[in-house]
Amino acid sequence: DAGVIQSPRHEVTEMGQEVTLRCKPISGHNSLFWYRQTMMRGLELLIYFNNNVPIDDSGMPEDRFSAKMPNASFSTLKIQPSEPRDSAVYFCASSPHSGDTEAFFGQGTRLTVV
Amino acid sequence: GENVEQHPSTLSVQEGDSAVIKCTYSDSASNYFPWYKQELGKRPQLIIDIRSNVGEKKDQRIAVTLNKTAKHFSLHITETQPEDSAVYFCAAGVMNRDDKIIFGKGTRLHILP
Repeated sequence: DAGVIQSPRHEVTEMGQEVTLRCKPISGHNSLFWYRQTMMRGLELLIYFNNNVPIDDSGMPEDRFSAKMPNASFSTLKIQPSEPRDSAVYFCASSPHSGDTEAFFGQGTRLTVV
Repeated sequence: GENVEQHPSTLSVQEGDSAVIKCTYSDSASNYFPWYKQELGKRPQLIIDIRSNVGEKKDQRIAVTLNKTAKHFSLHITETQPEDSAVYFCAAGVMNRDDKIIFGKGTRLHILP
């Protein structure tokens, strides 16, 4: 398995534009997490899914952020409209939901909003 | 909800010396405490974890201790080497309840030559 795959690796966009980040979890993993990493706040949990269902989105900062998981092999995190303060590295991670609890991270998407 | 505090935010130690990073958590139901290492420009990766049914776990130069009463847990790295330079994150979660993992803000460890 190639691990958790995120795309794009880097994204530069203008303020006000819509941004969509994509994630393919490890096959067979039932839990998927979206994290945002900044120097000031560290790794913040934005939202996570179990069996494609959003369980906790309390970390989503604003209504401008939304996430979906239409099937077990794909998830998106969308920001609309984007703002400069959204600039960060966004990580997707997945883990088995069977008592084995290591979270495997993707390479991350570095988002810059100018 | 869970809140994880991590100290120090930055740590410099001489090569060969030991490094200790400390974390506290707030949710007494937490029963899983992983530690992740993130090298510059790379993804966080699990290096060791401990569950609440043990007080200590060791893997070569790395050890973790857990004090459930005080809600403290620590990472100990002995005989530090240049490749130990990275950002280390502690985390806490309640497994088999909601599987949510909350991370501390990280410790940037510098190993000095």
